[in-house]
Amino acid sequence: DQQVKQNSPSLSVQEGRISILNCDYTNSMFDYFLWYKKYPAEGPTFLISISSIKDKNEDGRFTVFLNKSAKHLSLHIVPSQPGDSAVYFCAASVGGNKLVFGAGTILRVKS
Amino acid sequence: GAGVSQSPSNKVTEKGKDVELRCDPISGHTALYWYRQSLGQGLEFLIYFQGNSAPDKSGLPSDRFSAERTGGSVSTLTIQRTQQEDSAVYLCASRLQGRHHTEAFFGQGTRLTVV
Repeated sequence: DQQVKQNSPSLSVQEGRISILNCDYTNSMFDYFLWYKKYPAEGPTFLISISSIKDKNEDGRFTVFLNKSAKHLSLHIVPSQPGDSAVYFCAASVGGNKLVFGAGTILRVKS
Repeated sequence: GAGVSQSPSNKVTEKGKDVELRCDPISGHTALYWYRQSLGQGLEFLIYFQGNSAPDKSGLPSDRFSAERTGGSVSTLTIQRTQQEDSAVYLCASRLQGRHHTEAFFGQGTRLTVV
């Protein structure tokens, strides 16, 4: 039972353009959502999060949008940079308990 | 150290042997997680420790897998009678639980190869 889904295995974007990574979830009890970035041979690093009481959170080039009615989450990166090339995971939790991760999306930013 | 530390970073073991993987969480973090990532796959939840509560073991794939967290700090994941399908990167994360939601911080992982 995949409660968190990232349906795009990969995404390729030109440097300077916007990258949009998408995530869908099925559990309406999720109240906290996070995005992580992972480089090869390293552990995931936290990027940005959003509580279910908000619909947008912004941190520099990264913005996360939450659409609770559609159970949809997205991460916008603008402008995209070659160093952003990595695997991006979305994750969700209920009441601060275990994090459920999606399968990840490989982002390639071309210079 | 300042971050989550895992050891060893790499482990090659023969099929049928037992292995122990260690995680040192960030000091003061009450929540600790184990995940694994098999080749080309996402992060698979294994087990979650939260303070003095009973751990959530719902992700452990078989009874060959077990984990302990001693003194609310260091955790050990043990895999008995390893199989080739156990080959994966095992990731540990810790989190500061509190009134507000917080992010989890991951270690660099232990790459386990069963030959």
